[in-house]
Amino acid sequence: GEDVEQSLFLSVREGDSSVINCTYTDSSSTYLYWYKQEPGAGLQLLTYIFSNMDMKQDQRLTVLLNKKDKHLSLRIADTQTGDSAIYFCAESPYSSASKIIFGSGTRLSIRP
Amino acid sequence: DTAVSQTPKYLVTQMGNDKSIKCEQNLGHDTMYWYKQDSKKFLKIMFSYNNKELIINETVPNRFSPKSPDKAHLNLHINSLELGDSAVYFCASFPSGGNSYEQYFGPGTRLTVT
Repeated sequence: GEDVEQSLFLSVREGDSSVINCTYTDSSSTYLYWYKQEPGAGLQLLTYIFSNMDMKQDQRLTVLLNKKDKHLSLRIADTQTGDSAIYFCAESPYSSASKIIFGSGTRLSIRP
Repeated sequence: DTAVSQTPKYLVTQMGNDKSIKCEQNLGHDTMYWYKQDSKKFLKIMFSYNNKELIINETVPNRFSPKSPDKAHLNLHINSLELGDSAVYFCASFPSGGNSYEQYFGPGTRLTVT
């Protein structure tokens, strides 16, 4: 089956790194994603990684993929107050590249 | 220009009523979706259309009926509204084919049933 799990809350101090973790069950996933949802807004794609990669870096964002453990993480360096949002992990199962399965979302809050 | 737009943004209605929410995308995408996000922020796919044809229909009460008059529009009609239908409904589109990977989301329609 297809399932994506992530913890519901994360609180970090401003300036520290945030690490949001996610596990998934479908070993045939093609793409794995991180979407960001700010309050009152829709989801916006932050970054993605193809299943044959193990790391992707994009400015302050680092995505790590451990295919063996089916574990995906998103690291945000130098976390800022504008990073406060809900972060959704998601996967595209091989059976349907246009179907995306979302995790429950991790609410990231920033302490001064 | 808004890529994926939804109307209305807010909808407050009473139980038992019938209502529609509309979605339009100007991206030229072939595939469109409806998602439901509940109060705990869980996001679940409801329907997907590809070139006006239904391709994904998750376990959704048949009070919900999607309609796609053309590939740029996907509307959602809900009959006999219930309290549990209160949620934010998101429309999304996807450029199927090739190396497509990103779904584009609309701003959401917050439905409140009283």
